[in-house]
Amino acid sequence: GQQLNQSPQSMFIQEGEDVSMNCTSSSIFNTWLWYKQDPGEGPVLLIALYKAGELTSNGRLTAQFGITRKDSFLNISASIPSDVGIYFCAGPTIIQGAQKLVFGQGTRLTINP
Amino acid sequence: NAGVTQTPKFQVLKTGQSMTLQCAQDMNHNSMYWYRQDPGMGLRLIYYSASEGTTDKGEVPNGYNVSRLNKREFSLRLESAAPSQTSVYFCASKWGKYNSPLHFGNGTRLTVT
Repeated sequence: GQQLNQSPQSMFIQEGEDVSMNCTSSSIFNTWLWYKQDPGEGPVLLIALYKAGELTSNGRLTAQFGITRKDSFLNISASIPSDVGIYFCAGPTIIQGAQKLVFGQGTRLTINP
Repeated sequence: NAGVTQTPKFQVLKTGQSMTLQCAQDMNHNSMYWYRQDPGMGLRLIYYSASEGTTDKGEVPNGYNVSRLNKREFSLRLESAAPSQTSVYFCASKWGKYNSPLHFGNGTRLTVT
């Protein structure tokens, strides 16, 4: 089935640094979703992208829907301790005639104070 | 505003035991999903229910059964637990629209010994 490949798998940064991560697919997606999972909790939606080339911000977070529709990027500026967690990209797809949401493997972000 | 509620939060089973994971949502969503999360694997779909009265298999359905009891509730049953089913299980729900985002519960951490 379709797969989303996220990179990097993990990041170790200093507080205040900017963060960039991306998600790629061999297939076209019409929507890209970025989720964040805090330790011990379920993923929470951060940003939704619905159009190729779209650039959307949510506070210090900015995400872009790639022009080819096969990739998406998430940037975090001036990281703070509460940014720690796992970030997932996801996209809806049709598999065997049914609509499903597929997820990347996640990028684990660790911040040193 | 509870959103998606999962019970229990933690469970330890012995191999061969059975149990049911409960999930309820109060957002009047049509679709409900069960995912499992394993280290380095992201979120993998076990079963889903596109609407009340229907259920379908996801990527990893073996060893599980589900019941969409009504529009609010979607349960996941392990008939004979195996150590390979040790995982964190997430229930999620969304509107039926193709690209609407998922809302997750806080997960059930299951250990099978």
